[in-house]
Amino acid sequence: SQTIHQWPATLVQPVGSPLSLECTVEGTSNPNLYWYRQAAGRGLQLLFYSVGIGQISSEVPQNLSASRPQDRQFILSSKKLLLSDSGFYLCACTTGSGANVLTFGAGSRLTVL
Amino acid sequence: AQSVTQLDSQVPVFEEAPVELRCNYSSSVSVYLFWYVQYPNQGLQLLLKYLSGSTLVKGINGFEAEFNKSQTSFHLRKPSVHISDTAEYFCALYSGAGSYQLTFGKGTKLSVIP
Repeated sequence: SQTIHQWPATLVQPVGSPLSLECTVEGTSNPNLYWYRQAAGRGLQLLFYSVGIGQISSEVPQNLSASRPQDRQFILSSKKLLLSDSGFYLCACTTGSGANVLTFGAGSRLTVL
Repeated sequence: AQSVTQLDSQVPVFEEAPVELRCNYSSSVSVYLFWYVQYPNQGLQLLLKYLSGSTLVKGINGFEAEFNKSQTSFHLRKPSVHISDTAEYFCALYSGAGSYQLTFGKGTKLSVIP
């Protein structure tokens, strides 16, 4: 089965600073990859998904971007953070077998001050 | 378009009591349904899933859910909860049809009271 690693686990950044959150997947190849944000009381919001290297689909217009430089690497970035970017960011993947079952990483908690 | 509604944002329950977390969905096509659990400051973990077949689905940690197509519901139940069941629970829907994403409900926080 696949395992997702996310880092950093926690991050405190000032408004206007850049952001890079990394996600790597072990135990599978050609996964579909996802970035979700979880804000208090708002459930899970899908931000980006990728079905292959260099292929990124954005679900919500925002201050963030995503990239997939390698098959099992997914990066969430921002050039200038806003206060509203604070939240818990979760990377997830699905695979060809059981393509609709998401496996989640442990998450990265971002606080923008 | 599809949607998932979790009717209760918070559910307090005493230890060893039964619990039901409610989930209703809306979709114009056939769906797959899931329940995920999230312990504090952790990612989500799959509890159980309904893909087809028997409408009563059993998952991990003694949880089960029943798919009711006529009522468009997928309620989660456990006959006797433990302190360790304190967590947030998310119902989710996948409609296939070329979609790559799940639609999640807003979550229900289950608090088990000793």
